[in-house]
Amino acid sequence: QKEVEQNSGPLSVPEGAIASLNCTYSDRGSQSFFWYRQYSGKSPELIMSIYSNGDKEDGRFTAQLNKASQYVSLLIRDSQPSDSATYLCAVSTSGGSYIPTFGRGTSLIVHP
Amino acid sequence: ETGVTQSPTHLIKTRGQQVTLRCSSQSGHNTVSWYQQALGQGPQFIFQYYREEENGRGNFPPRFSGLQFPNYSSELNVNALELDDSALYLCASSLDGQPQHFGDGTRLSIL
Repeated sequence: QKEVEQNSGPLSVPEGAIASLNCTYSDRGSQSFFWYRQYSGKSPELIMSIYSNGDKEDGRFTAQLNKASQYVSLLIRDSQPSDSATYLCAVSTSGGSYIPTFGRGTSLIVHP
Repeated sequence: ETGVTQSPTHLIKTRGQQVTLRCSSQSGHNTVSWYQQALGQGPQFIFQYYREEENGRGNFPPRFSGLQFPNYSSELNVNALELDDSALYLCASSLDGQPQHFGDGTRLSIL
């Protein structure tokens, strides 16, 4: 069974710090990796996707992928209180049906 | 560009009843996936429809069924509702499978 593991947290960081969120996955055939942000009571919002090893930057967000270690992470620079949310990691394989498996999410709290 | 829309927003049912949830996919998208999200958990995959055909199914019983229409909108039907079916039901659409963009969800409460 494909598994995606995340520390449920909460991860608490001060405003302006770097928040580091981690995710491991079990299926070595995984090809696509996504980070979603979910505010309390709301639906998940796609913030980053990454498909190859290395880093991918988008504004204050950086996704890092290491397929050999089956590890994907999300860094949030200059964290703001508005970044406080649950961050979901999703992993999918290719082959005709892209069905992502989600982790249970990490709760991030950015305090002023 | 119109995003993914779901209806209704909230729904209260009793055990044994049946429910239909609806989803309009984002313009240009041909794939719709449905998820169940319990409190404190990640979304759990129910099934996916690609061009009106079921393209994958998660570990949910047959009383969870669905369909996709020619305009790529979709319905999720749940029969014989149980207390454990209380959850946020999410619809996500995509072009050819990924990445998936979610609607606002339907919160279903079973009494």
